[in-house]
Amino acid sequence: KAGVTQTPRYLIKTRGQQVTLSCSPISGHRSVSWYQQTPGQGLQFLFEYFSETQRNKGNFPGRFSGRQFSNSRSEMNVSTLELGDSALYLCASSYNRRTSTDTQYFGPGTRLTVL
Amino acid sequence: AQSVTQPDIHITVSEGASLELRCNYSYGATPYLFWYVQSPGQGLQLLLKYFSGDTLVQGIKGFEAEFKRSQSSFNLRKPSVHWSDAAEYFCAVGLTTSGTYKYIFGTGTRLKVLA
Repeated sequence: KAGVTQTPRYLIKTRGQQVTLSCSPISGHRSVSWYQQTPGQGLQFLFEYFSETQRNKGNFPGRFSGRQFSNSRSEMNVSTLELGDSALYLCASSYNRRTSTDTQYFGPGTRLTVL
Repeated sequence: AQSVTQPDIHITVSEGASLELRCNYSYGATPYLFWYVQSPGQGLQLLLKYFSGDTLVQGIKGFEAEFKRSQSSFNLRKPSVHWSDAAEYFCAVGLTTSGTYKYIFGTGTRLKVLA
């Protein structure tokens, strides 16, 4: 079974631009979560989508948004990029994150650099 | 508040030596426990998980972890480290709070292996 895929793997943008990242979950997984990883802050939860609905949200500004499609693929968008948005963005999928025994499987990440 | 602590930011061991990475959690009940490994520039790979039952859990790549309720710990061990084990290791807990299931990650332990 194919793992979680993320595109693109690397991205360079300038301040003020916007960016869209894509995540395809493992087949059959309906929950997709997004994380931001930086050396200073570690892994921080952005949001989670399940059945095309945002189910949980972390403490990030409204510039960070996402959506999920009917095939469970998810996109996240960051508008008006700031230098501090430079990070590795990780996507994780699971079958159903509502259950406590659910396990998340991570993609390789998208490395975003903002100049 | 719930939290996960990995007290060692960096650990250096010689190839062939044994390894123990520490993880402590703060939560009123028994959470679900995970260890992930991240190689440079890559996503997180699940090493092992504990939900219930036998408190000694076997994982991939020769790793094991032991859950100790009395110490609120879930330490990762490997009897003989290989150079390819050099990576960053994250402990995570899955828990339910206010009706929402979420993951909390530790800040990670970076492992260096000396030849």
